[in-house]
Amino acid sequence: GNSVTQMEGPVTLSEEAFLTINCTYTATGYPSLFWYVQYPGEGLQLLLKATKADDKGSNKGFEATYRKETTSFHLEKGSVQVSDSAVYFCAFGGSNYKLTFGKGTLLTVNP
Amino acid sequence: NAGVTQTPKFRILKIGQSMTLQCTQDMNHNYMYWYRQDPGMGLKLIYYSVGAGITDKGEVPNGYNVSRSTTEDFPLRLELAAPSQTSVYFCASSYLLGVRDTPYEQYFGPGTRLTVT
Repeated sequence: GNSVTQMEGPVTLSEEAFLTINCTYTATGYPSLFWYVQYPGEGLQLLLKATKADDKGSNKGFEATYRKETTSFHLEKGSVQVSDSAVYFCAFGGSNYKLTFGKGTLLTVNP
Repeated sequence: NAGVTQTPKFRILKIGQSMTLQCTQDMNHNYMYWYRQDPGMGLKLIYYSVGAGITDKGEVPNGYNVSRSTTEDFPLRLELAAPSQTSVYFCASSYLLGVRDTPYEQYFGPGTRLTVT
């Protein structure tokens, strides 16, 4: 069945470090791919998205490229800030109106 | 636009009580969803709706009911609350651009933190 596997956390980095959070999916067809972010005490917010192979989504310095050949959508940022501390969720949407979410990765950035 | 709003923000229930979690969206989205988020477990879909009058079960529907009488509102009903229903509940809505009938991003409410003791 459809599933999303994302890197287990927690991840702890120092400010200005490079971030990668891995995400791979198993699905039929050509799903849309998303990264959501959840700041403490808040709901999920869309961070970026890609709707077809080789698309690159980007927002707030974060990037992810839709790699069909490796069924991956890894999240990267070149220089993290303390304000990036949050839980990050990878998700994909197929043809059944629903999103499938990964379990989330907690990122803590220390000054 | 207020987006997706949820009430209440916090609630404590005793075992066996019932309550309704309210969700409203003002974006004219056809699709609405209820999730629960347990610590370290990501989000699990409880129920969803593709339009007024149409609802369907998600992964974990037992112990819950929903209705969708209008496009804007999608309340979640808990009957006979149990400690296993202690969780954070999120409502979301989305739209389709229709080219391949794939869903586009979901917009989330701020959540309701429910404790059943």
